[in-house]
Amino acid sequence: AQSVTQLGSHVSVSEGALVLLRCNYSSSVPPYLFWYVQYPNQGLQLLLKYTTGATLVKGINGFEAEFKKSETSFHLTKPSAHMSDAAEYFCAVGGGSYIPTFGRGTSLIVHP
Amino acid sequence: DSGVTQTPKHLITATGQRVTLRCSPRSGDLSVYWYQQSLDQGLQFLIQYYNGEERAKGNILERFSAQQFPDLHSELNLSSLELGDSALYFCASSVPGANEKLFFGSGTQLSVL
Repeated sequence: AQSVTQLGSHVSVSEGALVLLRCNYSSSVPPYLFWYVQYPNQGLQLLLKYTTGATLVKGINGFEAEFKKSETSFHLTKPSAHMSDAAEYFCAVGGGSYIPTFGRGTSLIVHP
Repeated sequence: DSGVTQTPKHLITATGQRVTLRCSPRSGDLSVYWYQQSLDQGLQFLIQYYNGEERAKGNILERFSAQQFPDLHSELNLSSLELGDSALYFCASSVPGANEKLFFGSGTQLSVL
């Protein structure tokens, strides 16, 4: 079985500040890990994914995430928040033969 | 635009009724997934079809059913609707043979009154 836990249903940052969204996973097999973003009134779109290889993964819009097996974590970061980053972010585990299982989501609020 | 089309965007109906949600996957994608998004449950996987065949089943109620047609579009049928079925229903598709990247439609917002 696979599951993810996203710490914090809401994260609030100032424009220009570091963004850190936390995700911990549980998986009985080597996981594929994903971050998706959902803007208002839209479907989810893939930000980045980790399957194998390099543990630091770069995605779109300046986001990146690091797979840490020892900590079972896949936290999402961005050095400098922009107003347009305000959205709902979902961590997911799955891939291969496993259907992606999503976390509850974290709402990112960016203050001017 | 993800290339996945869902209709209708909004649906308002009454308890006890039956509705059909429709999804057209991206051109070339054989897999279709249905997810339900609600405030209390988050994003829950319902069911997956691959090239017309049911591939995986998640937390789908017996009152719900789905199918994928030869042209690869899919329909999710919800019957004997209850207030608690009010949610955003997403369809997603993926490239053949892998669940590594899902392309989501913009969803159907179902309101059961």
